[in-house]
Amino acid sequence: DVKVTQSSRYLVKRTGEKVFLECVQDMDHENMFWYRQDPGLGLRLIYFSYDVKMKEKGDIPEGYSVSREKKERFSLILESASTNQTSMYLCASQQGDRSNQPQHFGDGTRLSIL
Amino acid sequence: GENVEQHPSTLSVQEGDSAVIKCTYSDSASNYFPWYKQELGKGPQLIIDIRSNVGEKKDQRIAVTLNKTAKHFSLHITETQPEDSAVYFCAADSWGKLQFGAGTQVVVTP
Repeated sequence: DVKVTQSSRYLVKRTGEKVFLECVQDMDHENMFWYRQDPGLGLRLIYFSYDVKMKEKGDIPEGYSVSREKKERFSLILESASTNQTSMYLCASQQGDRSNQPQHFGDGTRLSIL
Repeated sequence: GENVEQHPSTLSVQEGDSAVIKCTYSDSASNYFPWYKQELGKGPQLIIDIRSNVGEKKDQRIAVTLNKTAKHFSLHITETQPEDSAVYFCAADSWGKLQFGAGTQVVVTP
C-alpha cells in the first residue's frame, strides 16, 4: 500500500512566520502535489512536482513555495504566514506518466495562523 | 481550465437505501475520473475510478457511470451502511492535474 506521511497533524503558527509543511511518500512516485482544503471549496491545487528539483504552479500558488530536493520528499513553504492561510493542507503522490493514475493522499495537516 | 460541479452538497439516506452523487465537468479532453471518500480526521481515499473508454464500473456496492457526451459522471452506493457516512469527492483529470468537486457530505441513518 502507498504510504504518504505528513509530518504534523496539527500546527499553530503566528502571522508573519515562515512555515514548513513536510510530506514523504514511500512508493518511489515521480509526481507529488500540495492541496488546501476549505469547506465548500473542495481541494484546490497549490503546487505540484513531476520530478526532483522540478516544481509547477497550481491554481492558487500565491503566498506559497515548494521544495523537492529528494524524490520521496515534497515540502510546502508559507513564506510569511497570514490568517487567510488557515486551512487543511493535503499532500498527494502519484505514479509517473502524469495522467490516468490515482493520487494517494496523506491524512493532512490542519494549520492555524493566529 | 477544467471545472467540476458536484451535487448534492449534503445527502441523508436511510440505512439500506441507495445514494447517488452526480458530477459534471467542462473539459472534453478529460479522460480519468476518480472518486474519493474522506472520513473525519483522515485524508481522501480512492474508492473507485473510471477511464473514458468505459461507461460503467462496479465494485461490490459501489458503481460509477460516465456519459462522455453529456460530460457527467455519477457515483452509486447501494445498500448503504453507517460506515458509508463520509464526505465524497469526484474529480476529473485534465492534462495530468485533478480538478475536484466541492464534495458531498453523506449521512447514513440507522
